[in-house]
Amino acid sequence: DTGVSQNPRHKITKRGQNVTFRCDPISEHNRLYWYRQTLGQGPEFLTYFQNEAQLEKSRLLSDRFSAERPKGSFSTLEIQRTEQGDSAMYLCASSRTGGYYGYTFGSGTRLTVV
Amino acid sequence: DAKTTQPTSMDCAEGRAANLPCNHSTISGNEYVYWYRQIHSQGPQYIIHGLKNNETNEMASLIITEDRKSSTLILPHATLRDTAVYYCIVRVTDSGGSNYKLTFGKGTLLTVNP
Repeated sequence: DTGVSQNPRHKITKRGQNVTFRCDPISEHNRLYWYRQTLGQGPEFLTYFQNEAQLEKSRLLSDRFSAERPKGSFSTLEIQRTEQGDSAMYLCASSRTGGYYGYTFGSGTRLTVV
Repeated sequence: DAKTTQPTSMDCAEGRAANLPCNHSTISGNEYVYWYRQIHSQGPQYIIHGLKNNETNEMASLIITEDRKSSTLILPHATLRDTAVYYCIVRVTDSGGSNYKLTFGKGTLLTVNP
């Protein structure tokens, strides 16, 4: 169990640019989640995958955001035409299905839009 | 999922027990109480969970009142490394259906002082 890996750890981008983050979940976990966290707030749910299927998207996930999980393995979160309000920590987590299996979170990608 | 109420911040002396309260007066019979913590610049980390019996693991103890309307997370001998935001979350157990989401509040910032 190598944990959930997120890359990059930090990203600074200019407003209007596109950015893509990657998440590598724990290999045996079929569920994958993306959360966003702004300063002083708890993480907010963005989207959820079970295997390769994206089963829920929050209203926070505007049309500029897209997430994929090809072949049910790693996942990417892309933000197009970034805005200053997109500056946040983007957290990825994974878990198994059924019973209680706690989430395992990655260390996150901190995005700063200047 | 039921809403939780936690104090914004607490202090604790190193080596002493830290008792973190959580109110969840609207909890349903099938909802569990989960605790996570988030150390600065890291993703949240699972600590412990319970339904109605007190629980203990290597990290902490969870005391749930008989009416299940509140609970207390106990760190028996707090260290400086326990300084973190602690989140109390209530959720039904994952039945393999739609009960997968964790909803975070703002949590309690625990500061352990030397």
